[in-house]
Amino acid sequence: GAVVSQHPSRVICKSGTSVKIECRSLDFQATTMFWYRQFPKQSLMLMATSNEGSKATYEQGVEKDKFLINHASLTLSTLTVTSAHPEDSSFYICSAEGLAGGPGDTQYFGPGTRLTVL
Amino acid sequence: GQQVMQIPQYQHVQEGEDFTTYCNSSTTLSNIQWYKQRPGGHPVFLIQLVKSGEVKKQKRLTFQFGEAKKNSSLHITATQTTDVGTYFCAGGNEKLTFGTGTRLTIIP
Repeated sequence: GAVVSQHPSRVICKSGTSVKIECRSLDFQATTMFWYRQFPKQSLMLMATSNEGSKATYEQGVEKDKFLINHASLTLSTLTVTSAHPEDSSFYICSAEGLAGGPGDTQYFGPGTRLTVL
Repeated sequence: GQQVMQIPQYQHVQEGEDFTTYCNSSTTLSNIQWYKQRPGGHPVFLIQLVKSGEVKKQKRLTFQFGEAKKNSSLHITATQTTDVGTYFCAGGNEKLTFGTGTRLTIIP
């Protein structure tokens, strides 16, 4: 089956530092990857859509200069939280959509990265 | 923008009782997907419904997509402790909008 990995699974950093999170599709090529954020006891909120070889599309209210997304290959997308602050502490989850694309395709979710900013 | 609401927000049931969560979208959906998220875990895909009025079953789970393709439901028969978690519906035409989720807890 389709497997998506994320690294790291947990990260604790000091306020003001930058953190990079990797999302990899292990056994399939993903033209599109999605980045979500989930605060405790809340739903997943889509942050941005990442397409291989092009700029990410950010959802309203998400600062593109703070959350840098790079989708350099068909199996890797990275999210960099720049100058992290305590309010950025959250569970960041990526998902990947296979090459077939199109509405209704299944998204395969990574295991998530729990970010804690001190 | 599109909004997807779920009710109830929380549900506590005795083991063996049935459970239902309802999902309502502000707009018509091309498809609806259901996910389960265990405490501390990530969403795990359960099923996708595409057709109006579609009903699918997975063992004790029954999923239904409304005729107008704006609502859906998940029904679990005879709940077990392994059913604990938060159930999310998600719908959309090009990108998924997740519902607010229903957190299910089981009283053994």
